[in-house]
Amino acid sequence: EVQLLESGGGLVQPGGSLRLSCAASGFTFSSSAMNWVRQAPGKGLEWVSIISGSSGTKYYADSVKGRFTVSRDNSKNTLYLQMNSLKAEDTAVYYCANAPAIFGVIGGWGQGTLVTVSS
Amino acid sequence: EIVLTQSPGTLSLSPGERATLSCRASQSVTSSYLAWYQQKPGQAPRLLIYDASNKATGIPDSFSGSGSGTDFTLTISRLEPEDFAVYYCHQYGTLPLTFGGGTKVEI
Repeated sequence: EVQLLESGGGLVQPGGSLRLSCAASGFTFSSSAMNWVRQAPGKGLEWVSIISGSSGTKYYADSVKGRFTVSRDNSKNTLYLQMNSLKAEDTAVYYCANAPAIFGVIGGWGQGTLVTVSS
Repeated sequence: EIVLTQSPGTLSLSPGERATLSCRASQSVTSSYLAWYQQKPGQAPRLLIYDASNKATGIPDSFSGSGSGTDFTLTISRLEPEDFAVYYCHQYGTLPLTFGGGTKVEI
């Protein structure tokens, strides 16, 4: 069974930084593409970033490009999202989610971690 | 960017009724790489349909997906109480990946 557990969320001031982690189990992590998807309070889903199994390919939504960096450690079955220069509009629940490939359906989701950007 | 427009925004129905949800793409979805998710309050989304018409593991037969190109439909043939939720379509054939705005199915 796919299990994804996010951590690292919290309250941060505008302009600050935060690093999210996602611990994975129940599937072959190194073979899976991994996504970050966020959901602002009361709003819909917004795709943020994807990284291939080998880390050779990474893509970002325009809204976070240049501020967020996705990475992974396949030896630890862990996905990361480094978020810098945070803005109020980055406030959301951040989900990690797996897919079989870059162009593959997102199948498993974590429970999410809340990031609040506020002074 | 492929914009996905879901309609209606809210669907008010009763248990036992049929629900038809629409997802229209601003350009053709590559290889019908279109999925549907169900989300209940406080929960993560759950995959229902992938590749436009394939049911994910454990999804009841009452759920079905259809469509190709730019027009896709999720049908719930007979609503159960647990089906009242928000439904999102998602295309994964072109970067950036995108989601529709959602359709809320309410009693």
